Amino acid sequence: NAGVTQTPKFRVLKTGQSMTLLCAQDMNHEYMYWYRQDPGMGLRLIHYSVGEGTTAKGEVPDGYNVSRLKKQNFLLGLESAAPSQTSVYFCASRIRDRGLNQPQHFGDGTRLSIL
Amino acid sequence: AQSVTQLGSHVSVSEGALVLLRCNYSSSVPPYLFWYVQYPNQGLQLLLKYTSAATLVKGINGFEAEFKKSETSFHLTKPSAHMSDAAEYFCAVSATGTGNQFYFGTGTSLTVIP
Repeated sequence: NAGVTQTPKFRVLKTGQSMTLLCAQDMNHEYMYWYRQDPGMGLRLIHYSVGEGTTAKGEVPDGYNVSRLKKQNFLLGLESAAPSQTSVYFCASRIRDRGLNQPQHFGDGTRLSIL
Repeated sequence: AQSVTQLGSHVSVSEGALVLLRCNYSSSVPPYLFWYVQYPNQGLQLLLKYTSAATLVKGINGFEAEFKKSETSFHLTKPSAHMSDAAEYFCAVSATGTGNQFYFGTGTSLTVIP
């Protein structure tokens, strides 16, 4: 029962470096989301996907790109990391349902520091 | 537009005392509301959800929340705090539209004093 798995768990980057965060879910969920969590600001949506091959921008998409080539995976990329992107990143998934009462399921997060 | 507001970024209670964490929502349509808990260095776990079937919702670990439409509130309570309840708590609302995005409050950090 893995649920939502995020890799890596920790990473330190230098300004200007690039990296990709991987999210994998084994619940066959259609919807997947990437959030960043910063002190006092709650969770803010970066990008989301409603299915394989589709992505959309959330509240704070600048500086990030995403891809959903397989239903179970959702990748978040930082092309040129900046100190402002130091944060904890969470991935979540959700089953597609006609109602709105289905919860999102979260991974344990990736703690990213940009020096 | 839908949103939630959590009053009080930090709440401290004594062990055994009542826990009350506040959440108010802003929604033009009946909302679907959730409470999540986040323990240190972990992801968010679902505590409970409101789905309009009942105004008083019971969740895990002895928590419950009451939906009050007249007050646009969905406050989280627990009769007797335990040390293990120390965590960050988030209220969220599920939005209509593509992707059914969630909008989260800014969180309330609960400290339990022995």
